[in-house]
Amino acid sequence: GQQLNQSPQSMFIQEGEDVSMNCTSSSIFNTWLWYKQDPGEGPVLLIALYKAGELTSNGRLTAQFGITRKDSFLNISASIPSDVGIYFCAVARNNAGNMLTFGGGTRLMVKP
Amino acid sequence: GAVVSQHPSWVICKSGTSVKIECRSLDFQATTMFWYRQFPKQSLMLMATSNEGSKATYEQGVEKDKFLINHASLTLSTLTVTSAHPEDSSFYICSARVAPNYGYTFGSGTRLTVV
Repeated sequence: GQQLNQSPQSMFIQEGEDVSMNCTSSSIFNTWLWYKQDPGEGPVLLIALYKAGELTSNGRLTAQFGITRKDSFLNISASIPSDVGIYFCAVARNNAGNMLTFGGGTRLMVKP
Repeated sequence: GAVVSQHPSWVICKSGTSVKIECRSLDFQATTMFWYRQFPKQSLMLMATSNEGSKATYEQGVEKDKFLINHASLTLSTLTVTSAHPEDSSFYICSARVAPNYGYTFGSGTRLTVV
């Protein structure tokens, strides 16, 4: 099946630092999604991207849909302790967008 | 906003018994729901797509007779893990798509431990 390569696998940063993570695929997708998962909880949608080249912000978070439609990145500016969690990229698997495939996740740890 | 309620949040059961997990869409109708499984420190893996009023569609390698899915109404899907074994211990999460966009909402998950 389709594979999403998400990197880095984990990050340990100082509070206030900016964070960047990305996902790449060998296949083209029309929708890229970024989720955050806290321990013992289900993922929560952060940003949804529907158009190649699209750059979208949600507070301190910014995500871009790559122009080739094979990649996306998520940036977090001025990190705070509550940013700790696992961040997943996801793509809609088919044109109808009925199924999601998730990347391997980026575990973010923030040192106060 | 759209809310998906999942129960129970955790369950411990003995090997050989069955466990039912419920997933409800609280303020919207979901003709399709999705069931995922997540092992520790791993990503979410789609198990099956639950379709209201019809049979579920299972991903390759997922045993349909072991993971029974019922989607009898537009707001409820259930996953029953039959004859559970310790290797079935995992975090199970349901999801529903809030039409017309791709706003997939996830339940809070169910931690299953089989002893």
